[in-house]
Amino acid sequence: NAGVMQNPRHLVRRRGQEARLRCSPMKGHSHVYWYRQLPEEGLKFMVYLQKENIIDESGMPKERFSAEFPKEGPSILRIQQVVRGDSAAYFCASSPRASSSYNEQFFGPGTRLTVL
Amino acid sequence: KNEVEQSPQNLTAQEGEFITINCSYSVGISALHWLQQHPGGGIVSLFMLSSGKKKHGRLIATINIQEKHSSLHITASHPRDSAVYICAVSGNQFYFGTGTSLTVIP
Repeated sequence: NAGVMQNPRHLVRRRGQEARLRCSPMKGHSHVYWYRQLPEEGLKFMVYLQKENIIDESGMPKERFSAEFPKEGPSILRIQQVVRGDSAAYFCASSPRASSSYNEQFFGPGTRLTVL
Repeated sequence: KNEVEQSPQNLTAQEGEFITINCSYSVGISALHWLQQHPGGGIVSLFMLSSGKKKHGRLIATINIQEKHSSLHITASHPRDSAVYICAVSGNQFYFGTGTSLTVIP
């Protein structure tokens, strides 16, 4: 039973390019969460998605960032026109179902984005 | 002020020692989570608890809802326990502490 998969594991982009980060949840999981860990800082919640729905995007920057979780395929976190400040580790987690809280989540290995 | 505060920030212990990491939070929560992040960066969820105490191997997590406080204990610590331990709380939102970096020396 494969865990949460993220790819690529490392991504290098030049300023102004687009970054696309993929997250495949565990089998049977329909809820995906994205987190960002900036250098020397703690994890920050970005967005919570269910299949074809964004449930909570309160942690997403207002511009350049978007996320989707289509009916088929992985969840995608997309960063347009990347800047150096976007350099961070981006973690995805999945859970099998929702409840009134963010229940137990299984984390992926993360994607380390470096913007040159 | 952070919604979740952890202490200590850094901790060095001798192998075999009993370790305690503390977490205090200031928001209403539905559950508290303890996560482990190894030097390679991967994150593992250790516990999710909303009351009382949970035990898994040498790890014990407790929570006091009234005092808004949780502790993570590691008994008979081992060098492979060296990692960053992160406390997080979930409710209407998800908040993380900044982590406790633990080094266990052989």
